[in-house]
Amino acid sequence: AQTVTQSQPEMSVQEAETVTLSCTYDTSESDYYLFWYKQPPSRQMILVIRQEAYKQQNATENRFSVNFQKAAKSFSLKISDSQLGDAAMYFCAYRGSNYKLTFGKGTLLTVNP
Amino acid sequence: GAVVSQHPSWVICKSGTSVKIECRSLDFQATTMFWYRQFPKQSLMLMATSNEGSKATYEQGVEKDKFLINHASLTLSTLTVTSAHPEDSSFYICSAHRVPSSYEQYFGPGTRLTVT
Repeated sequence: AQTVTQSQPEMSVQEAETVTLSCTYDTSESDYYLFWYKQPPSRQMILVIRQEAYKQQNATENRFSVNFQKAAKSFSLKISDSQLGDAAMYFCAYRGSNYKLTFGKGTLLTVNP
Repeated sequence: GAVVSQHPSWVICKSGTSVKIECRSLDFQATTMFWYRQFPKQSLMLMATSNEGSKATYEQGVEKDKFLINHASLTLSTLTVTSAHPEDSSFYICSAHRVPSSYEQYFGPGTRLTVT
């Protein structure tokens, strides 16, 4: 079974600074997707960024980028120029061939003004 | 596009009663919908996979007789919590997988269930 591990229960960052959230996963599959989701206090799950395992290039979406290390099974999220609106719970998720999402336990990000 | 709604957003019911939660894909067809449960300050736990026109597939440890799932159309899945008890109080989230297959699941806003 696949597992997703987020080792940082909480992180904090100063506004306009950069923060990196860590995620590791375990799988025996070669083809899969990895995601970072944001869950603000409203609890609506919002897709931040995705990475296809077959792509070597790291995904980027505006201020959000990932460092995908397939051999190490590592998938970290970097948030640049942090904004107050970035404060939320962030979940790393894995999707394999069965389309099911496996989530990590989450990292609560606080942005300090 | 790709909007998923849930109804109700919050429901309070008495112990022993049943409650139905609806999940609708508003602007796309969803062959597969997923139901998750989330306890406060915890992650999402997959409860079951709902496929249109067939029986739901439940994850290990989820009581299929307590959590009845029906996926009657390509835009609607329902979760019925039968004989609810206070320990069933939780936040229930659905997601939908668009047709044709894509990488993304689209999440509903969730339903808060409180059993008194």
